[in-house]
Amino acid sequence: EVQLLESGGGLEQPGGSLRLSCAGSGFTFSTYATSWVRQAPGKGLEWVSAITGGGSTYYRDSVRGRFTISRDDSKNTLYLQMNSLRAEDTAVYYCAKESLGDSYIDYWGQGTLVTVSS
Amino acid sequence: DIQMTQSPSTLSASVGDRVTITCRASQIITTWLAWYQQKPGKAPKLLIYKASTLESGVPSRFSGSGSGTEFTLTIGSLQPDDFGTYYCQQYNSYPYTFGQGTKLEIK
Repeated sequence: EVQLLESGGGLEQPGGSLRLSCAGSGFTFSTYATSWVRQAPGKGLEWVSAITGGGSTYYRDSVRGRFTISRDDSKNTLYLQMNSLRAEDTAVYYCAKESLGDSYIDYWGQGTLVTVSS
Repeated sequence: DIQMTQSPSTLSASVGDRVTITCRASQIITTWLAWYQQKPGKAPKLLIYKASTLESGVPSRFSGSGSGTEFTLTIGSLQPDDFGTYYCQQYNSYPYTFGQGTKLEIK
């Protein structure tokens, strides 16, 4: 059974940094693309970043240069390093796994809340 | 970026009703479209992928159709557990983008 468990969220000041982690089980990270998707309070879903099985990385424009996605295949863990945080980064951050081949998101974690506020 | 536009934004319907939600893409995405249901405080749940393929375990009252830029999600006979917010999402290319959501309320 595929499971994704996020951690690392919390309260951080504007300009600060946080690192989110997503521990996966039931599949091999290096085979699948994985993404981070966020949802601001009371708002819709917003894709943030992805890393493919081959290690290529992609970002939405508003986080490029501030966020870095990476993974540790030996630990089956996905990361999101978030620097220069802004109030508009406040959201629940979901880790998500893409299907093999078609690339739709088939599994989601439960989410971790990031609050950026002074 | 590909813009996804859903309609309506909110929908109130009765048990047994047939419900349709529409999603439009700003450019052709062939059938690289998924639908998700999200309930308050929970992660989204995959319902439909490749525009019309029902995810395993999802009730058959859910169906999807469309290709190119116009897509629909239909609930054949609304059930009480179908409340929540529904999102379409294109996975034709990064950055993946979602519709703004359709909040479905049961009368």
